[in-house]
Amino acid sequence: DAGVTQSPTHLIKTRGQQVTLRCSPKSGHDTVSWYQQALGQGPQFIFQYYEEEERQRGNFPDRFSGHQFPNYSSELNVNALLLGDSALYLCASSFPTSGLSSYEQYFGPGTRLTVT
Amino acid sequence: AQSVTQLGSHVSVSEGALVLLRCNYSSSVPPYLFWYVQYPNQGLQLLLKYTTGATLVKGINGFEAEFKKSETSFHLTKPSAHMSDAAEYFCAVSVDSSASKIIFGSGTRLSIRP
Repeated sequence: DAGVTQSPTHLIKTRGQQVTLRCSPKSGHDTVSWYQQALGQGPQFIFQYYEEEERQRGNFPDRFSGHQFPNYSSELNVNALLLGDSALYLCASSFPTSGLSSYEQYFGPGTRLTVT
Repeated sequence: AQSVTQLGSHVSVSEGALVLLRCNYSSSVPPYLFWYVQYPNQGLQLLLKYTTGATLVKGINGFEAEFKKSETSFHLTKPSAHMSDAAEYFCAVSVDSSASKIIFGSGTRLSIRP
């Protein structure tokens, strides 16, 4: 059973550019959340997608946007990159309607984004 | 608003010694509490979670945590540390029954001395 997968593993971009990160959820999961983890910090919630719509959003500017596809995979897009966007971006999947197991989010290995 | 404070950004213990990682939370409603572990260059793995019921929660790899409402704490313990326990540990809180938004602490790096 494949877990959460993310691509690419590493990415280097220049300030002002745009980037797209991809996530495939764990088999059977229909909800995807995105987190930003700066170096030495805990992950910060960006947003969550369920049924192809953004369900909740953290304190991130509109430069951060996302999308969820009918197969539940998801993309995170960041426009007008800033140096401060350099971080590990983590994707997590869950299945909210499955009772107590809905509390568990399964994390992917992340995409390391470096903005120069 | 919910928040999590992890006391000690770095904890070092000897192999075989007790591991104690401290976590305090702030929440206006009954929280759901989690401990995650992150090994170098990897994503996060759930160690254990408290939702309702028994306040002493057992997790994987011999870890356990106790929810103390009066102290707003959820400290993580393991009776005997193993070299393989060296990693970053994150305490987290959610007040959403579907855990759609999880708030993480800043993490505690656990080192194990031979």
